[in-house]
Parts: sequence; structure tokens; C-alpha cells
Amino acid sequence: GNSVTQMEGPVTLSEEAFLTINCTYTATGYPSLFWYVQYPGEGLQLLLKATKADDKGSNKGFEATYRKETTSFHLEKGSVQVSDSAVYFCALSDLYNTDKLIFGTGTRLQVFP
Amino acid sequence: DAGVIQSPRHEVTEMGQEVTLRCKPISGHNSLFWYRQTMMRGLELLIYFNNNVPIDDSGMPEDRFSAKMPNASFSTLKIQPSEPRDSAVYFCASSPDSQPQHFGDGTRLSIL
Repeated sequence: GNSVTQMEGPVTLSEEAFLTINCTYTATGYPSLFWYVQYPGEGLQLLLKATKADDKGSNKGFEATYRKETTSFHLEKGSVQVSDSAVYFCALSDLYNTDKLIFGTGTRLQVFP
Repeated sequence: DAGVIQSPRHEVTEMGQEVTLRCKPISGHNSLFWYRQTMMRGLELLIYFNNNVPIDDSGMPEDRFSAKMPNASFSTLKIQPSEPRDSAVYFCASSPDSQPQHFGDGTRLSIL
């Protein structure tokens, strides 16, 4: 079945630093790919998505490109802020049921002033 | 628009007691998901409904767990009897067809 692997955290950065959180996937077919963010005490929120190869999802300064050749969907942001501190989850749609999502283990980002 | 609404936000109870968690999905969403989140196991899908019908309950840990969706606007997740290892944050999410899921703020459950 489909699966996703993301880098372990925590990732610790100073404000305005460049962010990369790696995500790779194993899938049959062409799943949709997602990044969700979870702020403390809250549920997950969709950050961005991409539905086909070479698509770039973007939102709030974050970007991720669906790379079929490397089976990756790395999350990037050029200049992080303290308010970006959260847990980030990579996810892909299930092979047999596209309503289901397969989530990675999450990566905690801590940004210091 | 109101998001996914879960209640209670926090629940503390003694082991052996029955626990009922509630969820109101976003109006018009026809899929509903129950997840459990712990430090050890991360985010786990417990059960998934589509048009009020359970589609996949393979993630339900054991017979002590049950979930119902009597109508399009309400779902419950019940644990009976509860055990300390059930302590976790339980999330409900909903989505329209083939669209991203919207999560509630979760119920933090502590079983003493």
C-alpha cells in the first residue's frame, strides 16, 4: 500500500532562516499529496496540496513540489517566523480509497527569535 | 462557517468507565473520520464513514471501541470499558467527496 516517510524532528531554526522538511513517499499510481500543520492545542489544518506530478502547492509562503521522479514532496519556506512553530505532517491519498489519507509521523518545527 | 465541532474538549475519567466522544461534521461533508494521536504511535485512523455508513474500521483497536453515525450531522466514538492506555487526543475530521479533510480541535482524554 501507499506510505509516507518524513524527516524526524525537532527542526530548530532562527527567525528568517530557510526551512526544508523532507517527505518521500511510496505509492502505486498517482496519489494526491498534502502538507498539514498542527499548532499547539489544535487540530490539523491543510497547508497545501498537489494532485499531479510537477504541481507546486503553495500557501502562506510555504511551497512543495510533487516530484514523481524522486517520489518526494519536500516542504520549503524562504524565511520562517516564530509563528510558524508547529508540527508539520506530510500525507498522501490511499491507493484503494482516495478519501483516506496516509499521514507521516510529523516533524516539529521550533523557530526562535 | 463553523468547522468540525468536537465535545468535550477535555475528559478525565477513571478506568472502567464508559467514555463517549462526540463530533459534528461540517454541513455538506459526506465523509467523516475518527483519529487517535499519541506520542508513541502518532496519528492513527480508527474508522471512516461515508454517507453515514462505516467504510473502514480496520484501525479500531479492539472491541472496547465502537463508533456510530446515526445521521449526517453527528457521530460518536465510545470506549467501554476504558483503560489507561486509551489516553490520547482523539480527532474527528470531515470532508466532501475527494477533497481535503477538515479537522476538529480534538478531545484530550485521560484515563486514570
